[in-house]
Amino acid sequence: EVQLVESGGGLVQPGGSLRLSCAASGFTFNTYTMNWVRQAPGKGLEWLSYMSSSSRVINYADSVKGRFTISRDNAKNSLYLQMNSLRAEDTAVYYCARDSPWGGTLDSWGQGILVTVSS
Amino acid sequence: HSALTQPASVSGSPGQSITISCTGTSSDFGTFNYVSWYQQHPGKAPKLMIYEVTNRPSGVSNRFSGSKSGNTASLTISGLQAEDEADYYCSSYTGSIYVFGTGTKVTVL
Repeated sequence: EVQLVESGGGLVQPGGSLRLSCAASGFTFNTYTMNWVRQAPGKGLEWLSYMSSSSRVINYADSVKGRFTISRDNAKNSLYLQMNSLRAEDTAVYYCARDSPWGGTLDSWGQGILVTVSS
Repeated sequence: HSALTQPASVSGSPGQSITISCTGTSSDFGTFNYVSWYQQHPGKAPKLMIYEVTNRPSGVSNRFSGSKSGNTASLTISGLQAEDEADYYCSSYTGSIYVFGTGTKVTVL
């Protein structure tokens, strides 16, 4: 069974940093592109970033480009999101999501982790 | 890319069929057919219901079906059931980014 478990969320002050982790199990992690998606309270889904299985292909949404950095450690079956210069509008539930083997579809999601940016 | 446009809410009685639209531009959908639909119950993670416009993952009821015409994709739920009450999001992969729809709240009357 595919499992994705996010951790590292919490309360952070504006301008601060936070690193989210996503622990993957139940599939061959090093063969899948992985993504981060977020959802602000009461709002819709917003795709943030993806990283290919080899880490060679990376892309970001304009809203986080230059502030957030995606990374992965295939030896640890883990995906990360380093978030810097956090703003109040970054307050959201953050999900990691697996790309389908053929691409273009987010076929499995973690349960999400809440990040609150507030003073 | 702006969010794909969905109706804010759609409702129907048990047993009825409803259709949710998802409208974008040609650049939103790209040259691929990577349109997906996700169901999200309150406080839960999104769940994949339809991928590549018309395909259902294993375990998803055949009451859910997808289609696309031009720059509008659609999700139809037939034989509406109480458990279908949830938020639904469309998504498109453009070849470089994912774009989500604005979301539709489905209410079962």
